[in-house]
Amino acid sequence: DSGVTQTPKHLITATGQRVTLRCSPRSGDLSVYWYQQSLDQGLQFLIQYYNGEERAKGNILERFSAQQFPDLHSELNLSSLELGDSALYFCASSVAGSLAGVYNEQFFGPGTRLTVL
Amino acid sequence: GQNIDQPTEMTATEGAIVQINCTYQTSGFNGLFWYQQHAGEAPTFLSYNVLDGLEEKGRFSSFLSRSKGYSYLLLKELQMKDSASYLCAVHGSGNTGKLIFGQGTTLQVKP
Repeated sequence: DSGVTQTPKHLITATGQRVTLRCSPRSGDLSVYWYQQSLDQGLQFLIQYYNGEERAKGNILERFSAQQFPDLHSELNLSSLELGDSALYFCASSVAGSLAGVYNEQFFGPGTRLTVL
Repeated sequence: GQNIDQPTEMTATEGAIVQINCTYQTSGFNGLFWYQQHAGEAPTFLSYNVLDGLEEKGRFSSFLSRSKGYSYLLLKELQMKDSASYLCAVHGSGNTGKLIFGQGTTLQVKP
């Protein structure tokens, strides 16, 4: 158990719908990361928040948005869902905002499996 | 651009040694991570290299050559539970925690 929690574990919805995925980081971690893992794409970085502010952005679609709240939990909102959005969505957390120069492991949550029908 | 290459699949025998290679071309480099991921589960950290050379950690070792853009993960005394995907990830951007992952190598350990 990494200490990172994600809810829900599974989510089944229809095309065109909107869903919210929730993540609580490990106690003391200020950074939260979101990743998407689909069968043909591997693990793709979506976005990083550090202490409530956006720190880095990957190939996140405009239909997707995220935020980190004052209690440091984060939510990933996916809207106008398409079949291709079906994937495992992982949240990870780390102590600092940067990994540069210092060993700074990211701890991954168990993931949310999203199925869009 | 950003490119990280790993073999897609490998097979090895229980008790043997296997080496999983990773080559990378990224716009920046601040370290390389290896993660293990069992099917449907979260990735778990295995090793981290930022300087050239070998880092040893029990049955697992990882090597880095920054000049060659090359790393490998060495697994010794393979066990059946080592059957998993192994993900190579580069930390490219100095002031963020963004990791760029390779596609992963699925290792099957046979009796």
